[in-house]
Amino acid sequence: GAGVSQSPSNKVTEKGKDVELRCDPISGHTALYWYRQSLGQGLEFLIYFQGNSAPDKSGLPSDRFSAERTGGSVSTLTIQRTQQEDSAVYLCASSSKGLSRGYTFGSGTRLTVV
Amino acid sequence: GESVGLHLPTLSVQEGDNSIINCAYSNSASDYFIWYKQESGKGPQFIIDIRSNMDKRQGQRVTVLLNKTVKHLSLQIAATQPGDSAVYFCAEVTSGTYKYIFGTGTRLKVLA
Repeated sequence: GAGVSQSPSNKVTEKGKDVELRCDPISGHTALYWYRQSLGQGLEFLIYFQGNSAPDKSGLPSDRFSAERTGGSVSTLTIQRTQQEDSAVYLCASSSKGLSRGYTFGSGTRLTVV
Repeated sequence: GESVGLHLPTLSVQEGDNSIINCAYSNSASDYFIWYKQESGKGPQFIIDIRSNMDKRQGQRVTVLLNKTVKHLSLQIAATQPGDSAVYFCAEVTSGTYKYIFGTGTRLKVLA
């Protein structure tokens, strides 16, 4: 597509439930990133994909967080047994090889755990 | 003025004045830098970039200055407008690596 698409844009879930967040990157972008942004805070790196593999998942906060990417395209970030501290905006970004002109970010999924 | 609180530092400027947003980057090996603008409810968007072989680059109403000696980057916005109100992030990367390092961000508030 023309840009990075994320869905849903907003998600309210009950504590303890699992959620899946989806990212559809720019066609042809081999690199895909997930970041988390808490209210009024900066960008916290979660995981990096190159193609379908994730050579850097060092930012995932706990084993409740996992992500996958299929077909070198769509990625899903899954949070199991959600906690209130998981409430944040989850941003996905993609880039072409070489990182020229940086990442293109999606608009994010705002997750609220109640 | 500029203030630092529990959240992002905030810079308040009068409409029509020039704004200067500063960033101290961390890695002396970084050779490419970007400024991003993030409006409320949106993802960060590219504004302007600069390579380490330059010390100044100008765009439309924006200028980025790079001082490699002290690892400092700044974004200057001329004649600041209400639409410039946003959070601004600097980002650095080293050629051959895969991940940008983002600064903490500065919130710009434009006062009418």
